[in-house]
Amino acid sequence: EIVMTQSPATLSVSPGERATLSCRASQSVRSNVAWYQQKPGQAPRLLIYGASTRATGIPARFSGSGSGTEFTLTISSLQSEDFAVYYCQQYNNWYTFGQGTKLEIK
Amino acid sequence: QVQLQESGPGLVKPSETLSLTCTVSGGSISSYYWSWIRQPPGKGLEWIGYFYNSGSTNYNPSLKSRVSISVDTTKNQFSLKVSSVIAADTAVYYCARSLSPVAGYDYWGQGTLVTVSS
Repeated sequence: EIVMTQSPATLSVSPGERATLSCRASQSVRSNVAWYQQKPGQAPRLLIYGASTRATGIPARFSGSGSGTEFTLTISSLQSEDFAVYYCQQYNNWYTFGQGTKLEIK
Repeated sequence: QVQLQESGPGLVKPSETLSLTCTVSGGSISSYYWSWIRQPPGKGLEWIGYFYNSGSTNYNPSLKSRVSISVDTTKNQFSLKVSSVIAADTAVYYCARSLSPVAGYDYWGQGTLVTVSS
């Protein structure tokens, strides 16, 4: 099983600042990575697929990068609605998710 | 707009079978890939399995012996059964869609909490 490890577990950032979330795969998953945002009591929402392609309706402040084993989700200027938990997922070899990064207001 | 809605009992006794149904509107389940994913309270996400092509299935190897997914195309529904449940099967269960087996999940149900307890 491919293990996806996210860091940090919690990230404290002020509104308007940039947030950078990391995800590492235990073996190469090429560019077969998605990122999701989850707010309390809600289902996850697809943000990024193919490591760097924004899903429909996702604001341009969200960007993804990486390939192989190292991936990054960047939120360029945090809005109040962006504070949530973020998960990465690989779909290169079955499907596994990271344990999540909680993005909280500083 | 595609919408998914999970339904089923919220409480299941240990050793019994958990059964859930996902009803899809706004699109046909005869196309694309339709998955079940679960999330234990306060924890991360786990893929359970999917079906495609109106009946072909794939399951998480760690759950394969206890899980089955079935399809009713006439009702545009698909269902999940998890047998011999234990407390660790307590989770919010989601149904979700992906466009292919190598794609993210673009539509999700709102999720349903299933508690395993006597």
